[in-house]
Amino acid sequence: DQQVKQNSPSLSVQEGRISILNCDYTNSMFDYFLWYKKYPAEGPTFLISISSIKDKNEDGRFTVFLNKSAKHLSLHIVPSQPGDSAVYFCAATGGYQKVTFGTGTKLQVIP
Amino acid sequence: EPEVTQTPSHQVTQMGQEVILRCVPISNHLYFYWYRQILGQKVEFLVSFYNNEISEKSEIFDDQFSVERPDGSNFTLKIRSTKLEDSAMYFCASDREETQYFGPGTRLLVL
Repeated sequence: DQQVKQNSPSLSVQEGRISILNCDYTNSMFDYFLWYKKYPAEGPTFLISISSIKDKNEDGRFTVFLNKSAKHLSLHIVPSQPGDSAVYFCAATGGYQKVTFGTGTKLQVIP
Repeated sequence: EPEVTQTPSHQVTQMGQEVILRCVPISNHLYFYWYRQILGQKVEFLVSFYNNEISEKSEIFDDQFSVERPDGSNFTLKIRSTKLEDSAMYFCASDREETQYFGPGTRLLVL
């Protein structure tokens, strides 16, 4: 039962260009969405989040877009930097509840 | 910046032995969680803890698992009789306002 799906297991982007990571969810009870960045053998690092009452949230080079009707969110990284290379997890929660993670997208930013 | 810490970073144990994984959540956080990630799989929710009691647990969190907040700072996960399939990275997380912050993880290897 995959309630949070990241259909692209990997993505390669040239340095300086935009990285777009996509995520779909199925559970209508989710009302808070998060993106985490993770390196091997380390814990997920919180990047950015968005509440279901918004459709966009921006923090520096990172922007998250939420399309509630399509149950879709995306993370945009502009400009992409080699240090952004990592696995990115989309996650969702109903608030003060467990976070449900997607399977992750491995981003490689090529210098 | 405050962060979640976990000890030990690595633990090797024999099947059937008890292990205790320790976490120090961020000090003003109220909700605490344990997750695990088996190699090559996604991060899975184990249990959430609030107001000194379990608020939610997954199917994985069977009678072999228990959690405790023995004092004002520590949050522990105990596995009473470890199985080979318990080998995984275990992450502690805490939150106050919906965003969960994760510790660096404990890599547990059961032989």
